[in-house]
Amino acid sequence: DIQMTQSPHTLSASVGDRVTITCRASQSVNKWLAWYQQKPGQAPRLLIYEASTLKNGVSSKFSGSGSGTEFTLTISSLQPDDFATYYCQQYKSYSYTFGQGTKLEI
Amino acid sequence: EAQLAESGGGLVQPGGSLRLSCTASGFNFADYAMHWVRQLPGKGLEWVAGINWKSGFTGYAESVTGRFTISRDNVKNSLYLQMNSLTPDDTALYYCAKDPAASEEYFFDSWGQGTLVTVSS
Repeated sequence: DIQMTQSPHTLSASVGDRVTITCRASQSVNKWLAWYQQKPGQAPRLLIYEASTLKNGVSSKFSGSGSGTEFTLTISSLQPDDFATYYCQQYKSYSYTFGQGTKLEI
Repeated sequence: EAQLAESGGGLVQPGGSLRLSCTASGFNFADYAMHWVRQLPGKGLEWVAGINWKSGFTGYAESVTGRFTISRDNVKNSLYLQMNSLTPDDTALYYCAKDPAASEEYFFDSWGQGTLVTVSS
């Protein structure tokens, strides 16, 4: 199975900051990577797929990049609503694994 | 907008069985593959099982193969997960999740709120 490793585990930031979360795959997943946002007590929400394609309706403050084994999620101009846990997920191959999550906190 | 509502979770003893259901609305259910994804307590996410739009293909995580069965009823707009031989390691919040395609893409563009399964004596 492909292992997904996110860094950092926890990221402290302030309102207005621009932050970047990294996701590394143990082998190439090409562009088959998604990013999700999860707030406490809520289900995950898809933000980005195919590494850089923003889901319809998701704010353009979120952007994704990368291919192969290294990917990034960048969030610009942080607002209080952005403080949440972010997960990457590869869907190139079985068993469609998720990273362990990055908690973005104030 | 897609809406997914899970039900059927609860407390079950080790070795027991449970059947989860997911009712879909707001989209043409029959046109999309569907999945179950679980979240272990305080931990990350794990894909559990998926089924294509016509029930012609199903897939399972290694950890549940032979114990769990995914199925769907396109007339009732419903997805199911039959879980047998449950162990404490199956304790999790189980999400119903929609695939963006008829044949699986294996990422998830809509999620339900989840139903909690607790396996304990």
